Formats: sequence, C-alpha cells, structure tokens
Amino acid sequence: GQQLNQSPQSMFIQEGEDVSMNCTSSSIFNTWLWYKQDPGEGPVLLIALYKAGELTSNGRLTAQFGITRKDSFLNISASIPSDVGIYFCAGSPRAGGTSYGKLTFGQGTILTVHP
Amino acid sequence: EPEVTQTPSHQVTQMGQEVILRCVPISNHLYFYWYRQILGQKVEFLVSFYNNEISEKSEIFDDQFSVERPDGSNFTLKIRSTKLEDSAMYFCASSKGSFLTDTQYFGPGTRLTVL
Repeated sequence: GQQLNQSPQSMFIQEGEDVSMNCTSSSIFNTWLWYKQDPGEGPVLLIALYKAGELTSNGRLTAQFGITRKDSFLNISASIPSDVGIYFCAGSPRAGGTSYGKLTFGQGTILTVHP
Repeated sequence: EPEVTQTPSHQVTQMGQEVILRCVPISNHLYFYWYRQILGQKVEFLVSFYNNEISEKSEIFDDQFSVERPDGSNFTLKIRSTKLEDSAMYFCASSKGSFLTDTQYFGPGTRLTVL
C-alpha cells in the first residue's frame, strides 16, 4: 500500500527556534494534511493543502504541497512550549470528488520544546 | 465550534467479548470514518462510510468488524470477538464532503484495552 515517510522522528528544540519537518512518498498524493496530536487526544487539523505547489500559512505554521505531489513540509516559526506534541502528515491519492476517502498517515514527528 | 464526540473514552474488555464504540459526527457531515492507532504507532485507516454503506475499507477491517449508523446522529464500530491485538485508540472522523477541499475532523478517541 501507499506509505508516507515522515522525518525527523523526533526533535528537541529551544523555545523561540524554528522547526521544519517533512513527508515524502514514492507515489503521488493529491491532498496533503498536517495534524497535531496531544497525548490521549485525537489528531487536530493544522493545515490542509489541495494543489501542487500551494504554500499555506496558519499563524506561525507554514506548509507546502510539493510540485511533484510526492512531498510536503511543515515549518513552525518561533516555537513556544505549547507546540509540544506529535505532528503527523497525512495524504490522500484521490483527486476530484467530494471526499478524498481514506487518509494515509506518516509515522509522526515528536516535538519537544525546552523553555 | 462543532466537534466529533466519542464514547466511552476508555473501554476495557476481555478477549473474545464484543465491544461497540460510539461516535457522534459533526451534524451536517456526510462522510464518516474509523481509524485506529496502536500505542506509539501511526494512525491507520479502517473504514469509510457514506450514504449508509461502506465506501472503502482496509485489510485490517476484517469480518470481526462492522459499522452502523443506527439513527441520524450516531455512528458505531462493533468488534465481534475482540483479540489482544485490537487494543488501540480508535478514532472516529467525519467530513462534510466538499468538492476538492474536503477536510476530516477527528474525535478524541476511545482507548480500547483487551485483556
């Protein structure tokens, strides 16, 4: 089946630093999503990307949908302690229609922010 | 803001027992999903449901699993005879179904522990 390779697996940074993480795939995904998961909770959508090349921001978060449709990155600028959590990329190969169906998730990036 | 809710938050059961996990999707959403996450691993797709029928399912979703929308608000996942390896967090998600820009929103999850 399709797989998303997410890196890095974990990051330990100081408050105020910028963070970058990415996902790659050997096959094309037509929708890329970035979710954050806090311990014991469900994934919360951060950013959704629907077009190749699209660059989208949400506050201190910026994500891009790669031109080849096989990769995406997420940047967090000026990290704060509440950014701690697990970040997942997710994608769907489906194009068109009103639902992209099942999501394939990456393995997650565990982010730790030291005050 | 509308959200997906799930009950119970934690279910403990004996191996071989049947369990029913319940979800209330966001009220105007048309597509419903179940995912699971084994402790420390990535989120995995189980099944999607639209117009009162399964639209897609993964290889994990075998004959022991079933889904139902018994009324206008609930969406359930039944595991007929639980196994130890069914222990995981189970997340329900729903989406409105928006052409090319659909977004899945996740519930907080039910932690299933099979003893």
